[in-house]
Amino acid sequence: KAGVTQTPRYLIKTRGQQVTLSCSPISGHRSVSWYQQTPGQGLQFLFEYFSETQRNKGNFPGRFSGRQFSNSRSEMNVSTLELGDSALYLCASSLEGGGYEQYFGPGTRLTVT
Amino acid sequence: KNQVEQSPQSLIILEGKNCTLQCNYTVSPFSNLRWYKQDTGRGPVSLTIMTFSENTKSNGRYTATLDADTKQSSLHITASQLSDSASYICVVTRRAPGGGNKLTFGTGTQLKVEL
Repeated sequence: KAGVTQTPRYLIKTRGQQVTLSCSPISGHRSVSWYQQTPGQGLQFLFEYFSETQRNKGNFPGRFSGRQFSNSRSEMNVSTLELGDSALYLCASSLEGGGYEQYFGPGTRLTVT
Repeated sequence: KNQVEQSPQSLIILEGKNCTLQCNYTVSPFSNLRWYKQDTGRGPVSLTIMTFSENTKSNGRYTATLDADTKQSSLHITASQLSDSASYICVVTRRAPGGGNKLTFGTGTQLKVEL
């Protein structure tokens, strides 16, 4: 069974631009969660989608948004990029979310200049 | 405040030696605790997941313990190998008011195994 895939793997953007990241979960998984990972803050939860609905949300500004499609694929969008948004963005999928095992993708490395 | 603290922040050991990583948490209400291994440039990979009633779980050379009373967990690595060099992240899940769960991550312990 194929694992979680994320595209693109690397991205360089300029301050003020917007970016869209994509995540394809493991086949059959309905829950997709997004995380931001920085050296100083570690992994921080952005949001979780389940059956096309946002089920949980972390403490990030409204510039960070996401959505999930009927095939469970998910996208994350960051508008008006700031230098501090430079990070590794990880996507994780699970069967139902919650207490179920999460499987992480390789991440998208975003650099904002 | 829901927090997960890990110690030490970094650790260097010789190949073949054992080591123990610590995780203390204040997350409530507790649902489960997970240990992940993250190699540089890759996504985390789950090592163990423990619920309230479990106090030990093993995965090969990795053994995790949980004391729900003191809110402490440890990850013991036996007979370390060079491939164990990675960041080890403790994650505690709590039940969210609106349903589902929320995860709180520790900042990880960076382990380096040397010859």
